[in-house]
Order: sequence, then structure tokens, then C-alpha cells
Amino acid sequence: AQSVTQLDSQVPVFEEAPVELRCNYSSSVSVYLFWYVQYPNQGLQLLLKYLSGSTLVKGINGFEAEFNKSQTSFHLRKPSVHISDTAEYFCAVSDRGDYKLSFGAGTTVTVRA
Amino acid sequence: GAGVSQSPSNKVTEKGKDVELRCDPISGHTALYWYRQSLGQGLEFLIYFQGNSAPDKSGLPSDRFSAERTGGSVSTLTIQRTQQEDSAVYLCASSPTTGTDTQYFGPGTRLTVL
Repeated sequence: AQSVTQLDSQVPVFEEAPVELRCNYSSSVSVYLFWYVQYPNQGLQLLLKYLSGSTLVKGINGFEAEFNKSQTSFHLRKPSVHISDTAEYFCAVSDRGDYKLSFGAGTTVTVRA
Repeated sequence: GAGVSQSPSNKVTEKGKDVELRCDPISGHTALYWYRQSLGQGLEFLIYFQGNSAPDKSGLPSDRFSAERTGGSVSTLTIQRTQQEDSAVYLCASSPTTGTDTQYFGPGTRLTVL
């Protein structure tokens, strides 16, 4: 099973500033990569996913992530955040052909005016 | 369309009691997953159902935990003789099939064991 590390547990950021959330996983075998967002008192919602092809993946709400196989990373970025982006963000990984997702511990993003 | 629903949204129980948590997946989704989200452990896979195949129970933490899926749709997660360490948010997800399919998550059931 994969081990997923989200390097920052808390990220405070001002509105309209950029944000980057870091995610590293343990194995360099073929993987599927996901970022989910959890708004307060809600379930997990998929932001974006990497299955194959272009290493730069664009998702909903202006988020994007870049898959770096050599560094086993899948960092999430947004060039300009809004107050509504305040949420917890989870990186998840599965080995190709496996349905089980391994999740990181989550990063709480707090956007301030 | 309707998403994954879970009930109850909150459950408070006393140590030693049994609890049942329910999940209604998205209609037509053949794959159903249970995860647990707890402080200190993050999100953990518990169990997976796919169609009529035998479920993958490899993530269940003890034999006090069991789950069933009736008619390929609704699933119930049962925890017997609850312990305080069972306190967590239990999340259900479903997907059209498996593999690369996106897992759609429900809002979760927050279980508190006193």
C-alpha cells in the first residue's frame, strides 16, 4: 500500500494570494493520483485526478496539480485563492489496478481577507 | 442527481453498545467503499464491495466491525461492542465500477462513543 505525505498540516493564506499544497507518495510504481477537498461539515469532493498523459492536470475551481514521477510528488496549486477555498485538502494515491485509496493526513487551508 | 447519502449524520452511543451506519450509494454504481476518518489516523480504507463479488474486508480493524450490502445497493456498517477508539467519522463512497473511476463520497456519519 502507498504511504502519502502531505508536508503542511496548516496553510494560512491571504485572499488573492497563490497557494501550493505539497504531496509526496512512497512508491514509484505506476499510480493514480487524486486531490480531494472537504468543506466544513461536508463530504469529500474530487478536485482533480491524474491517471496518465500530461503531467499537468487542471481541476475544478481553478486548481491544478503537477505529477512528478522522479520526485514522487503531486503538488496542488492555485494562483489566486478566495475565501471560499477555506477547507481541508487531501491527497490520495492508488496503485494502478487497485481500488483502494491511500490518503494523506490532510492540509487545512485558511484564507483570510 | 442524488449523491451518496449516509445516515445518521451523527450518532452518540455508550461504550459496549452496537451501532449500525447506513450508506445509500449513487444509483447504478456497482462499487461501494467504507472509510474511517479519525484524529491521528487520517482516512483509512475499511471495506470494498463490487457487484456480487466477495467484499474486500482487509481494512476492517477488528472482528467487531462488519458490513453488508443488500441487493447490490444499500450498505450497512455494523460495529459491535463499541469502544472509545471507534469514535470517528465514517465515510461511504461509491463509483460506477472500479479502478480509475472517481469515488464519490457521502457526508459521513460522526460516531461518538462515550
